[in-house]
This record gives sequence, structure tokens and C-alpha cells, in this order.
Amino acid sequence: KAGVTQTPRYLIKTRGQQVTLSCSPISGHRSVSWYQQTPGQGLQFLFEYFSETQRNKGNFPGRFSGRQFSNSRSEMNVSTLELGDSALYLCASSTLAGGAPYEQYFGPGTRLTVT
Amino acid sequence: KNEVEQSPQNLTAQEGEFITINCSYSVGISALHWLQQHPGGGIVSLFMLSSGKKKHGRLIATINIQEKHSSLHITASHPRDSAVYICAVRLNYGGSQGNLIFGKGTKLSVKP
Repeated sequence: KAGVTQTPRYLIKTRGQQVTLSCSPISGHRSVSWYQQTPGQGLQFLFEYFSETQRNKGNFPGRFSGRQFSNSRSEMNVSTLELGDSALYLCASSTLAGGAPYEQYFGPGTRLTVT
Repeated sequence: KNEVEQSPQNLTAQEGEFITINCSYSVGISALHWLQQHPGGGIVSLFMLSSGKKKHGRLIATINIQEKHSSLHITASHPRDSAVYICAVRLNYGGSQGNLIFGKGTKLSVKP
């Protein structure tokens, strides 16, 4: 099976712009989670989607949003970019077991730089 | 105080040594994950635990739910084990149920 893919891999944006990142999960996986990784804060949970519904959301401002399509592909959007949004954005896909995501498979990430 | 604490932050070992990385947490959890991140950013999920012990090759992970503590052991360490090891817990309460909280990571360097 193909792994989790994320596009684009690298992105440079200017403050105030918006950005959309894409994640294609492993075939058959219906749960997609998004994470932000920065040197200062480490890894932080953004949100999780299952069957086109947001199941969980981390402690991020409303500028961060996401969605999932019927084919399980997911996108996240950051509006009005700030310098502090510069980070590695990772998505992970999984199946569910007992109502919670099982072992997660991570994509390579999108490195976003905001100037 | 962070909800998930890892120790040590940095670890240097000689090839062949037995390595232990610790993770303590202060919240209610439904599962604990150990992740490995190599330079360049790629993350691999090593283990997901809710009780007891799991083994995969030279890696062993244990969890003590009562003591809120988990350990990751690497036997016969090798330079290719050099990476950052991250502990993450899945919350089991309230509005945050299902959210993951991560430790800061342990940077392991194994010298030949």
C-alpha cells in the first residue's frame, strides 16, 4: 500500500496570506489527524477527522481549520498567517479501534515558512 | 508542569548498549504512543500501549497505568537507532477526549 502523502512538501508564504495543505491517507484509513511541530512547542495536536466529521480539536485559534472529503483525503487551512505559524505540519492516518484511532501512520510533513 | 514528561532529554550511548527512555504523565489516558523521528522530520509510530508490555525486534515498551509511567527500551543499540523518541498520550476525559499530548522528546545518539 502507498503511504500517507502530503502536498506540498515545502511552502513559503507572507504574513496575512492564507494557506491550504493537503493529506491523502493510506487506502482504507478513514481517520486523519493533523499536528503542528515547532522547535519551541514541539508536537501539538490540531484536529482529527473521521468520515468527514471533526471528532476532536486541539487548542488552536479559529484561523486553523480543516475538512475531510468522502474519499478520506483531508485539507487544513490557515488564514491570516502569522510568523509563529512557521512549522512542520504533519498528518497521520489510521483505522479506528474501540472508537479511537489505532496505530497512526505519519506523512512526511509540509514545511511552512511564513515571512 | 508539563502533562507529559520525558527523561532524559538527551542521551549518548555506545553501540551495543542497553538504552532506557522514560515517560511520565499526569492525566487520564486511554493509550500511550511511542514515536520515532529521524532528522528530516519523518515520524514512525513504534508502539501503541494501553497496558502491559509490547516487543518489536530490539525494542520493548512497557506501561504501568497505576504509576502513570512508561518506558521504551532498546537492546543492543545501533547507530541507526539515533533519532528523537517521542512519547504521546491519548486523553480519555472531557471535551478533550481523544486528543494527543506529546512529550518534548528524547534525542538519542548512538556512537559506533
